[in-house]
Amino acid sequence: GAVVSQHPSWVICKSGTSVKIECRSLDFQATTMFWYRQFPKQSLMLMATSNEGSKATYEQGVEKDKFLINHASLTLSTLTVTSAHPEDSSFYICSAFDSQQQREQYFGPGTRLTVT
Amino acid sequence: QKEVEQNSGPLSVPEGAIASLNCTYSDRGSQSFFWYRQYSGKSPELIMFIYSNGDKEDGRFTAQLNKASQYVSLLIRDSQPSDSATYLCAVNYGGSARQLTFGSGTQLTVLP
Repeated sequence: GAVVSQHPSWVICKSGTSVKIECRSLDFQATTMFWYRQFPKQSLMLMATSNEGSKATYEQGVEKDKFLINHASLTLSTLTVTSAHPEDSSFYICSAFDSQQQREQYFGPGTRLTVT
Repeated sequence: QKEVEQNSGPLSVPEGAIASLNCTYSDRGSQSFFWYRQYSGKSPELIMFIYSNGDKEDGRFTAQLNKASQYVSLLIRDSQPSDSATYLCAVNYGGSARQLTFGSGTQLTVLP
């Protein structure tokens, strides 16, 4: 099956700093990538849809200036959490979808962010 | 607002039994339906998807879709302790973007 990687798998940062998370599709070109956030014992909440070469579409209530998304190539999307606060601590998961091949969404392994 | 509802559980079944997981969705225009399994601390992995009314079988798993009732279910036959996880129902409401709306998940425990 399709492989999606994320880096880093976990990160601890201090309040006020920024953290960048990378999502890569390893064996297919991902025209669309999705970023989700999951708090403990809760379901996945879609944060934004990232389309290659265009601006991301953010879900209602997600601050676009705080969660910067860049999808500069067909295999890489990045999520930068700017001026992180403890309430941003969560499990961030990306998924990738190849709209040309009509393959299903495949999820990355996730990134555990802890803000101290 | 498009919603996906699942019983949060926990659901416990003995090893070898059939586990039945249920999901309802609010939008009749929904086009595709997915079941994901998520182990604690891990990201979801796709188990099955179904697009048409009826049953779809894959090994020990059977997905059932009833669009008239806006209901989708997952049956796990011969349940194993390794099936113990949270099962997420996800619905695509259409469009080329393939955005998914997830239910809150059902926690399944298979007792040895």
